[in-house]
Formats: sequence, structure tokens, C-alpha cells
Amino acid sequence: QVQLQESGPGLVKPSETLSLTCTVSGGSISSYYWSWIRQPPGKGLECIGYISYSGSSNYNPSLKSRVTMSVDTSKNQFSLKLTSVTAADTAVYYCAKMLRLGELSFLDVWGKGTTVTVSS
Amino acid sequence: DIQMTQSPSSVSASVGDRVTITCRASQDISSWLAWYQQKPGKAPKLLIFLASSLQSGVPSRFSGSGSGTDFTLTISSLQPEDFATYYCQQPNSFPWTFGQGTQVEMK
Repeated sequence: QVQLQESGPGLVKPSETLSLTCTVSGGSISSYYWSWIRQPPGKGLECIGYISYSGSSNYNPSLKSRVTMSVDTSKNQFSLKLTSVTAADTAVYYCAKMLRLGELSFLDVWGKGTTVTVSS
Repeated sequence: DIQMTQSPSSVSASVGDRVTITCRASQDISSWLAWYQQKPGKAPKLLIFLASSLQSGVPSRFSGSGSGTDFTLTISSLQPEDFATYYCQQPNSFPWTFGQGTQVEMK
């Protein structure tokens, strides 16, 4: 079955760019849509956005000006870039596979998550 | 954004207890709701989608109900592995939003 693994720096300096990659195994990235979710320490879940296998994307308006997602089908990976980070972006970042039922999107497979700390 | 409000924020229960968690949406979301379970240090796990459909592999002691703005997740007989935090999510209006979570603790 599909498995996901996040990778990227665990520490990012304020004002710099957070870059994460999610590697998909056990299935083709071209078969599904993919999402990024984050969870600040001790807090709830926040949707960052999602991207299709063809590269069409949709971002949370609260982050839209700073977020870019991309897909690399040759590597079976998708990526997240978040610019101009602040301490408020410190969180565990999850990548997830979307279970799409019509216009509805559920998250049925998750990566283990990667902790990103924003600090100088 | 659609606001999702869960109650209670935490519940203390014993093995074998029946546990019910409520999720309220700020507007009508039909039956478009999911429930996730998250254990400490782990990723969330999809339990229920479309308000009452059990995800493959999820024990039948978990059930969901509701429509419109009010939804419930019920654990019919709490097991040791069920102590966790539970989140509801609305999957229709982007950005998807989650409830703040309900922690099920051991009494």
C-alpha cells in the first residue's frame, strides 16, 4: 500500500524558506492528489493545501502568498516551499494522500511527519 | 472558513466505557465529515468518512453519526489502544478545517 515519507531541514532561520519533500512509495504519484498539513506544538491540525498529479494546486488563503507546491513524477515526490518563515511556522509538517469522493477530500494515508523549527 | 467545534475538549474514561464525542460545524455540511485518531508523536489516522462510513481496518466499536451541523463519534467499548486525541474535519469547503481535538484520557 502507499507509504509516505517527509524529508527536509529540521531547522530554518526566520525570513528564510522552508522546503520539504514527500516521497511516495508503494504506488504511483500520478494516481492521486496530495496534501500538506501542519500541526504547531500542542495545537490542532491546519491544512496548508494540496496538489494534483498534474500540478494543479490549491492553497489555504491564510498562507497562499507564501506557499508553493510542486510534483516530480519522475521521482514519485511532491514538495512544499514556504517563504518568509517566522516562529509561528514552527510545527510538525505532514504530507498526506487524498481520498477523493467527488468534491470531497479525506486524508487516508499520512506520512510520519517531520518537525520544523524556525529559529535563529 | 467553516469553523468546527468539538466537545468536550477532554474526557476521562475507563476501559469498557462508552465514549461519545461531539463535533459542530458553523454551517450545514450535509454528511461531509471525517473523524481522525491521533496518538502522541504519531500522524493522524482516518477512522470515519462521510460521517458514518468506517475506513477499512478500523474496528467496528467506532461509529459515526449526524448530518447538517451536528455530528458524533462513538466508541462503544473503549479499549486500551483507543486512548488518543480525536479530530473532526470538514472535507468539502476549502480550506478544509479541523476541530480543536478531544483527548480521551484514562480515568
